[in-house]
Amino acid sequence: EIVLTQSPGTLSLSPGERATLSCRASQSVSSNFLAWYQQKAGQAPRLLIFGASRRATGTPDRFSGSGSGADFTLTISRLEAEDFAVYYCQQYGTSLLTFGGGTKVEIK
Amino acid sequence: QVQLQESGPGLVKPSETLSLTCTVSGGSVDNYYWTWIRQSPGKGLEWIGHVYYTGSLTYNPSLKSRATISLDTSNNQFSLRLRSLTAADTAVYYCARNPIYYGVDVWGQGTTVTVSS
Repeated sequence: EIVLTQSPGTLSLSPGERATLSCRASQSVSSNFLAWYQQKAGQAPRLLIFGASRRATGTPDRFSGSGSGADFTLTISRLEAEDFAVYYCQQYGTSLLTFGGGTKVEIK
Repeated sequence: QVQLQESGPGLVKPSETLSLTCTVSGGSVDNYYWTWIRQSPGKGLEWIGHVYYTGSLTYNPSLKSRATISLDTSNNQFSLRLRSLTAADTAVYYCARNPIYYGVDVWGQGTTVTVSS
């Protein structure tokens, strides 16, 4: 099983600031099959990024994914009010899909 | 636009079996994985398993063979059965669509299941 560790657990930032979220895998993620999701309270997660760096349909271009192997990053270039939420990474490179524990981006 | 809707009981007794159904509307089940994911209160996301449109199945071994997923292509539905429930199975259960080589791109709204006597 690939364990995904997200850091930090909580990120306190102001609107307009840059957010950098980390996702580290316990082993290399096959073909960089790594996705990022945004979840707001009381809602289902929403796919933002797949294949480590490809934006899903409807994802604003202020969201970008990068990384390869076992080290991945989600960057939000300039935080907007609707971006304060919890973010999860997920790997789908093995038959057992796993999620990270999440990073909460909160208003400072 | 594809939409998913979970249905099933909100309250189940310990040791009993949970049965949930997900209805797929606005699209075909062909060429996708159909997935169940759960989220315990205040916790993260746990992948339960999925069924490919061909009928191929994969489960999370952490559930110790308690889960069974099935696909009904004629009714555009897929289902989850989870046996021998305990309080630890209390969670929001999501059904979802997972295109191959993609992330989970369509989610149901989620259904809350509480395991309690």
